[in-house]
Amino acid sequence: DAKTTQPNSMESNEEEPVHLPCNHSTISGTDYIHWYRQLPSQGPEYVIHGLTSNVNNRMASLAIAEDRKSSTLILHRATLRDAAVYYCILNINAGNMLTFGGGTRLMVKP
Amino acid sequence: NAGVTQTPKFQVLKTGQSMTLQCAQDMNHEYMSWYRQDPGMGLRLIHYSVGAGITDQGEVPNGYNVSRSTTEDFPLRLLSAAPSQTSVYFCASSHTANEQFFGPGTRLTVL
Repeated sequence: DAKTTQPNSMESNEEEPVHLPCNHSTISGTDYIHWYRQLPSQGPEYVIHGLTSNVNNRMASLAIAEDRKSSTLILHRATLRDAAVYYCILNINAGNMLTFGGGTRLMVKP
Repeated sequence: NAGVTQTPKFQVLKTGQSMTLQCAQDMNHEYMSWYRQDPGMGLRLIHYSVGAGITDQGEVPNGYNVSRSTTEDFPLRLLSAAPSQTSVYFCASSHTANEQFFGPGTRLTVL
């Protein structure tokens, strides 16, 4: 199974950018990189995904290393509502089965 | 659209009891799945379905049954509840592999 490695927790100040790293050294050429987040007492929520190129959407940006063995989720201005657990997931062969790891717990300080 | 709905929100069972967790989606998604999340852990896939009449096992299927008679509904049955099945259960659906939509979860306690 393709696995990801993320720090257990990170802290950020409100209104500052946050860079959440993820290592996925065993990634295959057809595996997409997905990010989900889970706010307290809620189900996971899709954030962003990509294959090779960097991606931007209204929630975040995804920067993918040239060798695809790591990626970084960028929140441009953290708010208190962004405090959540962020999961970096490899979508094997662009299928529908997601394997969640432990994720990174992001704490945002006012 | 209501999205993905799950009932009940909370349930307490005694060991050996059976019950069905309900999941429904109104987005006409082909793919549906069930996950469980133990305290402080990530989600683990129990069963999934790629369309009506088709189901398959995920990472932790033992003790659970599913069926998919319609596109909208994907119930999860616990045959004989055990304390090890105490967890929060999430249902998800998707149309493509790009984005899965998760329900609010069912918190199950087995005594």
